[in-house]
Parts: sequence; structure tokens; C-alpha cells
Amino acid sequence: DGGITQSPKYLFRKEGQNVTLSCEQNLNHDAMYWYRQDPGQGLRLIYYSQIVNDFQKGDIAEGYSVSREKKESFPLTVTSAQKNPTAFYLCASSPLAGTRYNEQFFGPGTRLTVL
Amino acid sequence: QKEVEQNSGPLSVPEGAIASLNCTYSDRGSQSFFWYRQYSGKSPELIMFIYSNGDKEDGRFTAQLNKASQYVSLLIRDSQPSDSATYLCAVKAAGNKLTFGGGTRVLVKP
Repeated sequence: DGGITQSPKYLFRKEGQNVTLSCEQNLNHDAMYWYRQDPGQGLRLIYYSQIVNDFQKGDIAEGYSVSREKKESFPLTVTSAQKNPTAFYLCASSPLAGTRYNEQFFGPGTRLTVL
Repeated sequence: QKEVEQNSGPLSVPEGAIASLNCTYSDRGSQSFFWYRQYSGKSPELIMFIYSNGDKEDGRFTAQLNKASQYVSLLIRDSQPSDSATYLCAVKAAGNKLTFGGGTRVLVKP
């Protein structure tokens, strides 16, 4: 099956811990994205990557880090510097970077809760 | 200041009626426009995209774009209870980033 997978589905973090959220796609998409969604709100862009070994900050990158060592994978680390990390985290990918279409398709999401 | 605005709703629609959702955007350079449906607790699902002025139809859904007035709308014909969800409008300007509105919650009542 082609698609985007995220793991884990639920994640609990203690204060001061770093945690890493996984995102994998087998759609051969060039671009990948990380969004954060808070209850009752839209999506806010954290980081995105259009090509392997390159990524750009989105609107709310502080307290987060990413890597793009493989085309299929785009893990997100939520560091202890992120003061309010409890949210629904969504990974997306799109087939054509640099074009007008840029349809993005989403994984199932990871719900992160700080204890 | 938000760049993509949607009425948060809820928009209550009788079953079988037309649901009309609106979205306005501030960047005149915006190129492409997307509608996503998101069920509670789930991830967004792409319904339609449009990039030319006018209407685009796909089944019971019609997207309408008016670049001069900077709005895009989504019509859902013959609304069904399964259409009850939050609908997110997303706009692509220069570059590859999408900017999302806050979403409109739609309730279809049997």
C-alpha cells in the first residue's frame, strides 16, 4: 500500500524530554512537511523539505528540529525548548516541488501530550 | 494577522440541502487553492483544488474561485450526515508553502 505513515499514534512526554516523531512515505514524493494543529484551529507549518539534505523553517520552528537524510523519511524532534508542545502533529508530502499544484497529502498524525 | 480567513461555524445544514463555505485570503499573488475535509480526531483529506477563476465541479462538490475579490468557496450539494466535518481552506502563494485557514465546522442534520 502506498501512503504516509506516522508513528507513534499517541506520545506522552515528560517535562524536559526530547521526543522524535516519525514520518515515512512510499509515494516517491519530493517534498515533505510538518504541521502542528491545536484544538479548534487550523494547521501551522513547522518545517518543510523539498529535497534530501535540505529543509526550511516554517512559521513556528522554534523548539523543533528535523532532518531529511532519505527521500522517504522526515522525522521531527520536539525539544525541551518547545514550551507548549501538546498538540496534534501532522506530516504531509507532495509530489512536485516548485509547481503551482503542490497538492499535499497527510499522514494519520501523532497526538503528543506533555505530562 | 491571519492570511486565510474562514467562518468557524458551526454551519448547520439540513440533509439534502446545499452547504456553502467561504474563504478569503490576503495575498494577491496566491496561485492555487485547496479544500480539505477533516473528521474529528483524524487528519485532513484533500477534496478539491482550483487555480483558475470560475467553477470546478467534482461529484457533489463545487469549488468557486474569484481572484479579483480574493475569495474561494466550496459548495456541497445534497448534503449527507457523513459530510459533517471541519473543512479547511488552504492557499499556496509563491514558494511551496500552504497557508491554512482555521476551518469551518459543518453539521448536517438528518
